Amino acid sequence: KAGVTQTPRYLIKTRGQQVTLSCSPISGHRSVSWYQQTPGQGLQFLFEYFSETQRNKGNFPGRFSGRQFSNSRSEMNVSTLELGDSALYLCASSLDGLLSGSHLQETQYFGPGTRLLVL
Amino acid sequence: KNEVEQSPQNLTAQEGEFITINCSYSVGISALHWLQQHPGGGIVSLFMLSSGKKKHGRLIATINIQEKHSSLHITASHPRDSAVYICAVRKSSGSRLTFGEGTQLTVNP
Repeated sequence: KAGVTQTPRYLIKTRGQQVTLSCSPISGHRSVSWYQQTPGQGLQFLFEYFSETQRNKGNFPGRFSGRQFSNSRSEMNVSTLELGDSALYLCASSLDGLLSGSHLQETQYFGPGTRLLVL
Repeated sequence: KNEVEQSPQNLTAQEGEFITINCSYSVGISALHWLQQHPGGGIVSLFMLSSGKKKHGRLIATINIQEKHSSLHITASHPRDSAVYICAVRKSSGSRLTFGEGTQLTVNP
């Protein structure tokens, strides 16, 4: 099975621009979660999508949004970029997300990440 | 105060040593995850625990729910174990993961 893929891998933007990142989960996985990782804040949860619905959202401003398509592929969008948005953005897929209590269902498989630099 | 705290932040060991990384949390949880992140960013899920102990190869993870504490042990450490190890908890009240700051492990040959 192919792993989780993320595109693009690297991105440079300027303040005020917007960006769209893409994540293709492992085939059969219905849950996709997005995370932001920065040296200062570490890993932080952005949101989780399951069957095209946002099931959970982290404490990020409304500039951060996402969606999931019927094939479980997910995109996240950041509008009006700020310097502090420079980070590694990771997505992870799982069979059932973080609610099942089952190791098999909950184990998250992470993509390689998109490294975003905002100048 | 962070809800999930790891210690130590940095750890350097010689090949073959037994290693312990600790994770303490202050909230009610339904599951605790241990993750491994190699240079370059790739993250691998090592364990999910809700009680007791799990073992996979040279890695052992334990959790004490009453004491709100988990440990990750690596036996016979090897330079390829060098990575950041991250503890994450899923709170009882929700489905999101809350992460510790990670422990940078370096194993020297």
